[in-house]
Amino acid sequence: EAGVTQFPSHSVIEKGQTVTLRCDPISGHDNLYWYRRVMGKEIKFLLHFVKESKQDESGMPNNRFLAERTGGTYSTLKVQPAELEDSGVYFCASRRQGKNTEAFFGQGTRLTVV
Amino acid sequence: GDSVTQMEGPVTLSEEAFLTINCTYTATGYPSLFWYVQYPGEGLQLLLKATKADDKGSNKGFEATYRKETTSFHLEKGSVQVSDSAVYFCALSAPSNDYKLSFGAGTTVTVRA
Repeated sequence: EAGVTQFPSHSVIEKGQTVTLRCDPISGHDNLYWYRRVMGKEIKFLLHFVKESKQDESGMPNNRFLAERTGGTYSTLKVQPAELEDSGVYFCASRRQGKNTEAFFGQGTRLTVV
Repeated sequence: GDSVTQMEGPVTLSEEAFLTINCTYTATGYPSLFWYVQYPGEGLQLLLKATKADDKGSNKGFEATYRKETTSFHLEKGSVQVSDSAVYFCALSAPSNDYKLSFGAGTTVTVRA
């Protein structure tokens, strides 16, 4: 069974540009989460999808961030326009529906805004 | 809201030394507690977990016990190896929050031969 896959693994963009991160969850996992770790600090929750619906987007920092999960499969996280403070590692995780099921993480996308 | 506080690093040890990383939490209800590990160049992996008070999670020689009375979940290993060099994250989740994870800041551990 394939794990959670994230693309790209690294991205370096200039301030003001647009970047789109992609996450392919484990097949059959209805729950998909995005997290971010900035500047060696704690990993913070961004948002949670259940299938194609946004269940909780309370962690999204501002309206420059847009997440989608069309068809309830893969998800994208677009940052437009990117700012310097958006630099960090973006993690995606997926989890099967059910009580206390394990969340599996991707390798993360390291985003650097210069 | 829920939060996790873990020992700040970095921590540098010699091989075969004892490792402990402190973790305390604040949460409403009865969360599950986790330790995740990120080895160099890899993603986050679940190291161990405990879902109720007094449970002990263990894996790869690491252990942590869910202590409700002290709201703690300290990670320990009796004899570390160079291959244990990684960043360790304490985390919690609860069904009331749709199992979203709240993480500590991470502790970087370097083990020297």
